[in-house]
Amino acid sequence: EVQLVESGGGLVQPGGSLRLSCAASGFTFGSAWMSWVRQAPGKGLEWVANIKQDGSEKYYVDSVKGRFTISRDNAKKSLYLQMNSLRAEDTAVYYCASSPYWGQGTLVIVSS
Amino acid sequence: DIQMTQSPSTLSASVGDRVTITCRASQNINNWLAWYQQKPGKAPKLLIYQASSLQSGVPSRFSGSGSGTEFTLTISSLQPDDFATYYCQHYNYYFGPGTKVDIK
Repeated sequence: EVQLVESGGGLVQPGGSLRLSCAASGFTFGSAWMSWVRQAPGKGLEWVANIKQDGSEKYYVDSVKGRFTISRDNAKKSLYLQMNSLRAEDTAVYYCASSPYWGQGTLVIVSS
Repeated sequence: DIQMTQSPSTLSASVGDRVTITCRASQNINNWLAWYQQKPGKAPKLLIYQASSLQSGVPSRFSGSGSGTEFTLTISSLQPDDFATYYCQHYNYYFGPGTKVDIK
């Protein structure tokens, strides 16, 4: 059974940092492009970042460039999102995804 | 960056109706388009990949077409389980704003 399990979300103050993790199982993680997608409360889906199988290529939506870093550890079958300089508008459920597989999401709230 | 748009933003329909949702890309994306269904509080579910290929396990009443910059998702006969929000996505990148299908 394929599983993507996110963790690391929570409440953080504006300007703070969080590191999200995604543990994968049940598929060949090292052969898959991986993505982070977020959804603010009551809003649509927003692609955040993705990373090539070997980590050699990474892409970000403009609003997070310079603040977020996507990375992966194929030996641990894990995906990460380091989020710095967080803003209120980063508040969302963050999903780890590799189509057609999605995690259940982890909630990040940026608020003082 | 490639922009994705969808129309309509909301669609009111009845069970048994034929429903069509349109997605447009600001540049040619060939057939690198996916369609997702999302219900409240749930992760999105892949329906269609590569513009017209039906994901395994998805009912055949769902179909996709198009290439280049214009794409459509069609539900041939709307079922009660289909009331949801639908998103198109340029593979691994930007999503459209979504189309909510609700009960007329």
